[in-house]
Amino acid sequence: GDSVTQMEGPVTLSEEAFLTINCTYTATGYPSLFWYVQYPGEGLQLLLKATKADDKGSNKGFEATYRKETTSFHLEKGSVQVSDSAVYFCALWNFGNEKLTFGTGTRLTIIP
Amino acid sequence: EAQVTQNPRYLITVTGKKLTVTCSQNMNHEYMSWYRQDPGLGLRQIYYSMNVEVTDKGDVPEGYKVSRKEKRNFPLILESPSPNQTSLYFCASSPLGAGTGELFFGEGSRLTVL
Repeated sequence: GDSVTQMEGPVTLSEEAFLTINCTYTATGYPSLFWYVQYPGEGLQLLLKATKADDKGSNKGFEATYRKETTSFHLEKGSVQVSDSAVYFCALWNFGNEKLTFGTGTRLTIIP
Repeated sequence: EAQVTQNPRYLITVTGKKLTVTCSQNMNHEYMSWYRQDPGLGLRQIYYSMNVEVTDKGDVPEGYKVSRKEKRNFPLILESPSPNQTSLYFCASSPLGAGTGELFFGEGSRLTVL
């Protein structure tokens, strides 16, 4: 079945550092890929998405590129802020399913 | 304001005492779903509903029931809760189904079963 693997957390960075959170997937066909963010005490929110190979999703300074050759969708941000502290989930949707398959989440803490 | 509302937000109960977690959305979405979030496991789907009176099992449906009598409401029922159902539960909705990937999540309901 489909699966998503994220880098283990927690990740702690200083403000203005460069961020990468790795995400790889296993799926048949051509899934759509997503990053969701969960701020403390809140539900998940869609951060960005990409629906086909080589697409780049972007939002709030975050970017991720759908790499079919490496089955990856790594999340990046050039300069993180304290307000980016949250848990980040990589997820995929595959045709025929009525659910998102989530990774285990990566907790990110940004230190001033 | 467009939102998904869950109640209760926090609940401590005992084994075997039936409980219901309510979920309501005000966006006229057809699709609704329940997930549970556990450390090291991410989110796993419990049940989903494509429309009124249409429900189906997700990956971890054992011990849960749902109903969809109205479009806006999708309650999660634990008939006889057990400690392994201690978890953080999220309700989500979408206008076009999971395929868009854009699910709108509630704030979560943290359940502890003693």
